[in-house]
Parts: sequence; C-alpha cells; structure tokens
Amino acid sequence: DIQMTQSPSTLSASVGDRVTITCRASQSISSWLAWYQQKPGKAPKLLIYKASSLESGVPSRFSGSGSGTEFTLTISSLQPDDFATYYCQQYNSYPWFTFGPGTKVDIK
Amino acid sequence: EVQLVESGGGLVKPGGSLRLSCAASGFTFSSYSMNWVRQAPGKGLEWVSSISSSSSYIYYADSVKGRFTISRDNAKNSLYLQMNSLRAEDTAVYYCARDYCSSTSCYPEIHYGMDVWGQGTTVTVSS
Repeated sequence: DIQMTQSPSTLSASVGDRVTITCRASQSISSWLAWYQQKPGKAPKLLIYKASSLESGVPSRFSGSGSGTEFTLTISSLQPDDFATYYCQQYNSYPWFTFGPGTKVDIK
Repeated sequence: EVQLVESGGGLVKPGGSLRLSCAASGFTFSSYSMNWVRQAPGKGLEWVSSISSSSSYIYYADSVKGRFTISRDNAKNSLYLQMNSLRAEDTAVYYCARDYCSSTSCYPEIHYGMDVWGQGTTVTVSS
C-alpha cells in the first residue's frame, strides 16, 4: 500500500505570506497526485490534479509541483479565505486512493 | 447546477446496518465513476469504495471489505452504500464524490481528481 505523509501538520501564517506544504509518498507515484482544501464542517474542494494542474475556478495563487515521491502545494499570497486544512491524495494505485493526514493552515 | 446530496445517516448500534444514498443532479450521472469517502470526527479523509459508471468495476478499502456494498442506479441518478456489521470505528461523516475522468474507463493518466462532493451525512455507531 502507498502511504502518504504531509508536513507540517499545522502551519501558522499571516495574510500575504507565501505558504508551502509538502506531501511525500512511500513509493513513486509519478505525477498522480491531487490537492484538496477543506474548511470546518464542509466537504473537501479539489484544487489541483496531476500534481500541478489547477482545477477550473481555483485562484492562480495556488500552485502545485513535484513528481515521484515529493510534492508541494504553494499559496503565493495567503488570503483570509485560505485558512483551512489541506490534503494531498495519490491516485497512482487508482482507484485505491490514499489521502495524506492533512495540514491545517491557521492564523498567526 | 452540478450537485450531490447524501442522506441516510444516523445513530446505529454496533453490529447494525445502515444504507446511505447519494442523489446526483446537473450532470450525466451514468458517465462517471463514483466514490464514497469518509472522515472520522477530528480525523482525515479515508477513501471507502468506488464503482465504475456501469457498475462493472467495484473496489473497497480493506477496512470495509466484506461489510460494505456499493451500488448505483443510473436510471435514478443515485449512488448507495449498504453498511452492515457496523463498528464504532465506522463512525464518520460519509461523502459521495464524483470521479472526474475523460473516459468512462478510467486510469491515472486520464483521472483529474474527485471534482464534485456532497455535503456529507453523519453515521454514528454507538450503543
């Protein structure tokens, strides 16, 4: 089974900060990685697929990069609406999806 | 508007059963694979089960295999999850999610994430 880890687990940041979240896979998953944003009490929202492709309607301040086993999600200038928990998800072993444990971005 | 609406959650005793439903609207339901994903209280997301567009392919996480059954009725635009032999560790919010692929037969190269999610339905397993 492919295991996913994320770091940090919690990140405190201010509006306007550049934020980077790292996701690692236990084995190579090529570029088959998605990122989701989840706010409390709400369903997850797809941000990025295929490691770096931005989902339609998602602001361009979100970007993804990486391949193989290491990936990053970057928010270029953190906005008030971005305080949330972010999950990576591998689909190399489609359809046996695995999510990372999540990174909570909160207000510094 | 593209929408998924779950229902059927509730309180059930350990060993009991529950059937979740997910009603789809605003898109051609029969063209998409669908998933159930759950989230235990205060925890992360866990994929539970997937079903292909024509029900030809069905997959389960090891944690629910043999106890849960996924199904769909394309004529009714509905997805289901029959949950039997429920355990305390099945307590979670259950989401249905659309699998976005550029073909009805999906694989990683043409998979673009789970792009539509329902609001979730809460299942609590407790005596």
